[in-house]
Amino acid sequence: EPEVTQTPSHQVTQMGQEVILRCVPISNHLYFYWYRQILGQKVEFLVSFYNNEISEKSEIFDDQFSVERPDGSNFTLKIRSTKLEDSAMYFCASSEVRTRRVGQPQHFGDGTRLSIL
Amino acid sequence: AQSVAQPEDQVNVAEGNPLTVKCTYSVSGNPYLFWYVQYPNRGLQFLLKYITGDNLVKGSYGFEAEFNKSQTSFHLKKPSALVSDSALYFCAVRDGTGANNLFFGTGTRLTVIP
Repeated sequence: EPEVTQTPSHQVTQMGQEVILRCVPISNHLYFYWYRQILGQKVEFLVSFYNNEISEKSEIFDDQFSVERPDGSNFTLKIRSTKLEDSAMYFCASSEVRTRRVGQPQHFGDGTRLSIL
Repeated sequence: AQSVAQPEDQVNVAEGNPLTVKCTYSVSGNPYLFWYVQYPNRGLQFLLKYITGDNLVKGSYGFEAEFNKSQTSFHLKKPSALVSDSALYFCAVRDGTGANNLFFGTGTRLTVIP
């Protein structure tokens, strides 16, 4: 069964440094997402991406964050200047279509654990 | 605004007994409801969804969930629990107004005791 893959599985970064988290969504999927899960807390939506542009974003997704689909397979999340509170597990997800009528499930990767020192 | 409540942080059940993991929701418009399971150091795995139709939906690994519109609930159930069902379970909702992002509950840790 096709899977969403994320790299690296664990990223350790100094505070203030830039970090890029990478995801390869399922190949025929058109909608891409990033979520984060701070340790012991719930999964929070960050951003969704469709047709090469951001579709929705939460208030967490401020100017320090950006997303990009640099080629036909990768989907990246960049944090420009990391803060201690950015430490979390970051999940990428993808879904087949975006429509109001069909609730296609989102398929998640195993996550990247980001640790800011 | 959308919200999801999972009132129990922890549910313990003996192997072979039925299990229920509770979820209530609040959305604008018609709800799209989902259950996901998370095993240690893994991502979220889709279990089942309710979009429309029968209130009882069946999903992976023998799980099912019952949509109750009047009680705004979507409880996850399984007739006979397995030790391998022990994991973290998340209820999620998407509203029917067009936004595609999921709102998750805080999760319920299910422990099945042998």
